Amino acid sequence: EVQLVESGGGLVQPGRSLKLSCVASGFTFSDYNMAWVRQAPKKGLEWVATISYDGRRTYYRDSVKGRFTISRDNAKRILHLQMDSLRPEDTATYHCARDGHGYTPNWFAYWGQGTLVTVSS
Amino acid sequence: DIQMTQSPASLSASLGKTVTIECRASEDIYNGLAWYQQEPGKSPQLLIYNADRLHTGVPSRFSGSGSGTQYSLKIDSLQSEDVASYFCQQYYDYPPTFGGGTKLELK
Repeated sequence: EVQLVESGGGLVQPGRSLKLSCVASGFTFSDYNMAWVRQAPKKGLEWVATISYDGRRTYYRDSVKGRFTISRDNAKRILHLQMDSLRPEDTATYHCARDGHGYTPNWFAYWGQGTLVTVSS
Repeated sequence: DIQMTQSPASLSASLGKTVTIECRASEDIYNGLAWYQQEPGKSPQLLIYNADRLHTGVPSRFSGSGSGTQYSLKIDSLQSEDVASYFCQQYYDYPPTFGGGTKLELK
């Protein structure tokens, strides 16, 4: 059974940093691209970033470029999202999701339960 | 970015009925479309990919169709467990983008 378990969310002041983690199990982690998708309270879904299966390529939405960094440790089966210079508009539940193969976008076959990030003073 | 316009925003239907949700892309996405179901308080679950392929374990009363810029999700014989929000997503190009969602309720 595929499982994705996020952690690291919380309340943080604007301008500060937070690092999210996602532990994967139930599939060959190093075979798949991985992504972060967020959902602001009572809002829709918004893709944040994707990292290729080998960690060599990363993709970001424009609003987080230069502030967020996605990374992975295939040996430990962990996905990370380092979030710096946080803004109130980054407030959302952040889901880790299993992406596809290769260097093109894909559907998200499996999702974690999410971790809530609240940016407020 | 490719814009995804989903309709209707909300929908009310009776048990056993058939409902259809539409999604329109701002340009041709060549069947690079997925549908997700999100039950209240839960994470999204994949239903359909490649516009019409059913994900593992998804009941056959769900089906997807469409091409070009127009796609639809059909739910036959509506069940109580189908009460949820539904989202479309294009993955033809970066950035992947989602429709605004359709909230399905029972009448």
